[in-house]
Amino acid sequence: DAGVIQSPRHEVTEMGQEVTLRCKPISGHDYLFWYRQTMMRGLELLIYFNNNVPIDDSGMPEDRFSAKMPNASFSTLKIQPSEPRDSAVYFCASSPLFSGANVLTFGAGSRLTVL
Amino acid sequence: AQKITQTQPGMFVQEKEAVTLDCTYDTSDQSYGLFWYKQPSSGEMIFLIYQGSYDEQNATEGRYSLNFQKARKSANLVISASQLGDSAMYFCAMREFQGAQKLVFGQGTRLTINP
Repeated sequence: DAGVIQSPRHEVTEMGQEVTLRCKPISGHDYLFWYRQTMMRGLELLIYFNNNVPIDDSGMPEDRFSAKMPNASFSTLKIQPSEPRDSAVYFCASSPLFSGANVLTFGAGSRLTVL
Repeated sequence: AQKITQTQPGMFVQEKEAVTLDCTYDTSDQSYGLFWYKQPSSGEMIFLIYQGSYDEQNATEGRYSLNFQKARKSANLVISASQLGDSAMYFCAMREFQGAQKLVFGQGTRLTINP
């Protein structure tokens, strides 16, 4: 299996621009997670999906952030408009179940820089 | 609310020595799981080891073991015979099985192995 695939790996954009991050989970994994990593706040859970349905989006910082999962093999995290404080590494992770010892498998991350 | 605390921002260890990375947690749930992840300089998150709250024995995975002290709410990672490739950030994480069910991460410990 190719693992969790994220794109782009690096994105540099200017304040005010729209940013779309993409994720392909591992086939057969029913859960998908979006995390954000910064030096100040560490790893934060933004939102997670079960069978393409958003379950908990309480970590989404504000209305500028939105996430979708139109099918089992694709998810997007969109920031519109972007701001410099959104600069971070955004990780997507997937899991077959969300119980017991089921482990989240992470993608390589998307490093976003907003100038 | 669940909380993970890693009190060691950085640690320096000589190659081949054993090292213990501290992790304490706070939860009101009786059922939960504890995880350790490694993040090398390349940025990916790599799962190392898992301990369930009802597991009677400490988890082990190769050179990794988890020193689980439930009454003290600690889940320290022990790496035996450290290697240069062990230099990385290490994150402790917890998921409550009855409460929020989110995988919450600590701030991490940066481990440097010296030759």
